[in-house]
Amino acid sequence: GQNIDQPTEMTATEGAIVQINCTYQTSGFNGLFWYQQHAGEAPTFLSYNVLDGLEEKGRFSSFLSRSKGYSYLLLKELQMKDSASYLCAVLDSNYQLIWGAGTKLIIKP
Amino acid sequence: NAGVTQTPKFRVLKTGQSMTLLCAQDMNHEYMYWYRQDPGMGLRLIHYSVGEGTTAKGEVPDGYNVSRLKKQNFLLGLESAAPSQTSVYFCASASGGADYNEQFFGPGTRLTVL
Repeated sequence: GQNIDQPTEMTATEGAIVQINCTYQTSGFNGLFWYQQHAGEAPTFLSYNVLDGLEEKGRFSSFLSRSKGYSYLLLKELQMKDSASYLCAVLDSNYQLIWGAGTKLIIKP
Repeated sequence: NAGVTQTPKFRVLKTGQSMTLLCAQDMNHEYMYWYRQDPGMGLRLIHYSVGEGTTAKGEVPDGYNVSRLKKQNFLLGLESAAPSQTSVYFCASASGGADYNEQFFGPGTRLTVL
């Protein structure tokens, strides 16, 4: 079966750094996405990794290791507006997105 | 550009009633998707379409039907609603193509079935 695991909830302090991990077991791999979803809103695209390594985009970075079936999203200089759920999704061999349940990130002042 | 829009935003149904959710996109995307999102679970694919006139089943298609008569519209129908279909429904679209398939989401429809 296909499975994506990420922590249910994490708490961090404003101004700090947080790393959200995602492990996956899927039938094929054509890329990994991270989306952000604020409460009551639609998911919005953050990053896409298809090759191993780190992709940096402003305060957000995403890392991928295909051999380990592992990714993480790194958020720096946390702001209160970063309080949201972060969804990991893998594009499988049929080019369908398989979604994790999401990690709810709580930012405290 | 409005992006992806969904109507209605909220709906309450009684068990056995039917309804249609409308998704529209103005980005000329080939691919469109219907998901449901339930607490503690990831987005689950109901049905999808890779082009006008085509539809296919996703992970949880039972109790739903879809149509893609026009490229810009993707309709999701519930013929006989059940309480288990209480959920938030998201429509998404993507340009298609094998290499990069970022999906753009609509604002969601919150459906309650009593």
